[in-house]
Amino acid sequence: DAKTTQPPSMDCAEGRAANLPCNHSTISGNEYVYWYRQIHSQGPQYIIHGLKNNETNEMASLIITEDRKSSTLILPHATLRDTAVYYCIVRVPPAGTALIFGKGTTLSVSS
Amino acid sequence: GAVVSQHPSRVICKSGTSVKIECRSLDFQATTMFWYRQFPKQSLMLMATSNEGSKATYEQGVEKDKFLINHASLTLSTLTVASAHPEDSSFYICSARVPTNEQYFGPGTRLTVT
Repeated sequence: DAKTTQPPSMDCAEGRAANLPCNHSTISGNEYVYWYRQIHSQGPQYIIHGLKNNETNEMASLIITEDRKSSTLILPHATLRDTAVYYCIVRVPPAGTALIFGKGTTLSVSS
Repeated sequence: GAVVSQHPSRVICKSGTSVKIECRSLDFQATTMFWYRQFPKQSLMLMATSNEGSKATYEQGVEKDKFLINHASLTLSTLTVASAHPEDSSFYICSARVPTNEQYFGPGTRLTVT
């Protein structure tokens, strides 16, 4: 799996958009970008994934650059409940092997 | 999405005792489950891959005789921490692989060894 780089922490005001970046400059052509988050003392939760087109679901949007070397997860209207550690993972689409987590970004949403 | 449960959610035990943690897939059959460990302020670390009906595959550095994994049915995997010590205190998380190969995570078990 390609290596990812994320900022260790970010702050966001409640109600504003939270934009979480991820660099994955060594991504290969068949690898997808996955985002998970972990709220304190809970198991990780799937958010979204994509290959090269931008994706949107009820939780977030995923913007992948044209060269696919970086991506941004966007939480359009952050709430206090979005405070969590966000993990960007690059891998071949569900390969059956375990997800490997990096250090992620701790997002703190404040009122 | 698929639901994975863990029991207990938290356990406190004395040093030297063994502790069993259960991981269940509630609405699907999981041929493969994964066990992770997470120390405070650190990321999840994969401990082992558990396949139904066969021996678990452990990651490098994880003692198979200390962390006993049993996956006897398609909906249940158990992790037994044998002769637990304070350094084994951690947050243990399981995940289950659904037929489409995606992973769903349990809520975790907080183990404290005194």
